[in-house]
Amino acid sequence: EVQLVESGGGAFQPGGSLRLSCEASGFTFNTYWMYWARQAPGKGLVWVSRIKTDGSSTSYADSVKGRFTISRDNAKSTLYLQMNSLRVEDTAVYYCARASSNYNFLTGYYYYMDVWGKGTTVTVSS
Amino acid sequence: AIGMTQSPSSFSASTGDRVTITCRASQDISSYLAWYQQKPGTAPKLLIYTASTLQTGVPSRFSGSGSGTVFTLTISCLQSEDFATYYCQQYHSYPYIFGQGTTLEI
Repeated sequence: EVQLVESGGGAFQPGGSLRLSCEASGFTFNTYWMYWARQAPGKGLVWVSRIKTDGSSTSYADSVKGRFTISRDNAKSTLYLQMNSLRVEDTAVYYCARASSNYNFLTGYYYYMDVWGKGTTVTVSS
Repeated sequence: AIGMTQSPSSFSASTGDRVTITCRASQDISSYLAWYQQKPGTAPKLLIYTASTLQTGVPSRFSGSGSGTVFTLTISCLQSEDFATYYCQQYHSYPYIFGQGTTLEI
């Protein structure tokens, strides 16, 4: 069974740091791009970050750029999100997701999130 | 960034109804659009990708259509388990953007 299990959430103070983990199982982790998304309480979904299969390429939402770092350990089938300089507005459920792709022979690959973990809750408050 | 606008934001319906949710992109995203279903306290679930391709295991009462800037999700015969929030999301370019969601209520 394909599974993603996030951990590392909790209550943190503004300006603090934490690292989220996402352990993958049931699929060949090192062949998939991986993503983080988040959802603030009562709000919609927001894409946070993505990482290529070998970790050589990453992207971030403007709201977290320079503060968050996505990484992966393919030997451990684990995705990470290092979160620094936390803000109250970072309070959310954080989901990791696996991405599958469409291929266009003219423009390349396009990635959509097909499997999601159950999420881990991060609360930032003084 | 590409803006995504869903309508309606909420909708009351009954089991057996046919419902359609619309999603509009602020620029051409070809067919790179996904639809997700989310129930309270649970993770999003992929329903449709490439605008109209049903994810494995999703009931055939769900269907998607559209390309370019206007897309629709249709549920042909609402079941009790379909009452949830639905999100569209463009994956044509970064940053990925989700619509604001449409909540289907009984």
